[in-house]
Amino acid sequence: DAGVIQSPRHEVTEMGQEVTLRCKPISGHNSLFWYRQTMMRGLELLIYFNNNVPIDDSGMPEDRFSAKMPNASFSTLKIQPSEPRDSAVYFCASSLQSGTQETQYFGPGTRLLVL
Amino acid sequence: AQSVTQLDSHVSVSEGTPVLLRCNYSSSYSPSLFWYVQHPNKGLQLLLKYTSAATLVKGINGFEAEFKKSETSFHLTKPSAHMSDAAEYFCVVSDRYTGKLIFGQGTTLQVKP
Repeated sequence: DAGVIQSPRHEVTEMGQEVTLRCKPISGHNSLFWYRQTMMRGLELLIYFNNNVPIDDSGMPEDRFSAKMPNASFSTLKIQPSEPRDSAVYFCASSLQSGTQETQYFGPGTRLLVL
Repeated sequence: AQSVTQLDSHVSVSEGTPVLLRCNYSSSYSPSLFWYVQHPNKGLQLLLKYTSAATLVKGINGFEAEFKKSETSFHLTKPSAHMSDAAEYFCVVSDRYTGKLIFGQGTTLQVKP
């Protein structure tokens, strides 16, 4: 299996522009997670889906952030409009199902820089 | 609420010497605990996990961790460090009800030749 696939790997954009990050989970996994990693705040869970349904989006910073999972093999995280403080590494992870003992498998991340 | 505290932000060892990365957890029940490793510019990779079976958990690349309830600790160890072990290590607890991962702040392991 190719693992969790994220695109793009790097994104540089200007403040005010729309940014879309993409994720393909491991085939057969039912849960998908979006994380953000910054020096100041470490790794934070933004939102997670179970069977394509958003379960908890309490980590989404504000209305500028939105996430969708139209099918079991694809998810997007959109920032509109982007701001410099959104600069971070964004990780997508998937697991076979939700649960405390399930292992989450992480993608390589998207490094976002907003100028 | 569950939480983890990694006691050292930075650990430096010489190649061939033992590694000890310390982690304490806070939980009102028997938690699920994980150690993940992140190499520079890479994603996170699972090293090992504890899920209330054996208290000594063996992981990949020679790492192991011991769950000690009396000390609320889950320290990561390796008998002999390799240069390739240089990375960021995260101790993680899983929320009992949601399965959400709660990360420690990370420990940077430096391995000197």
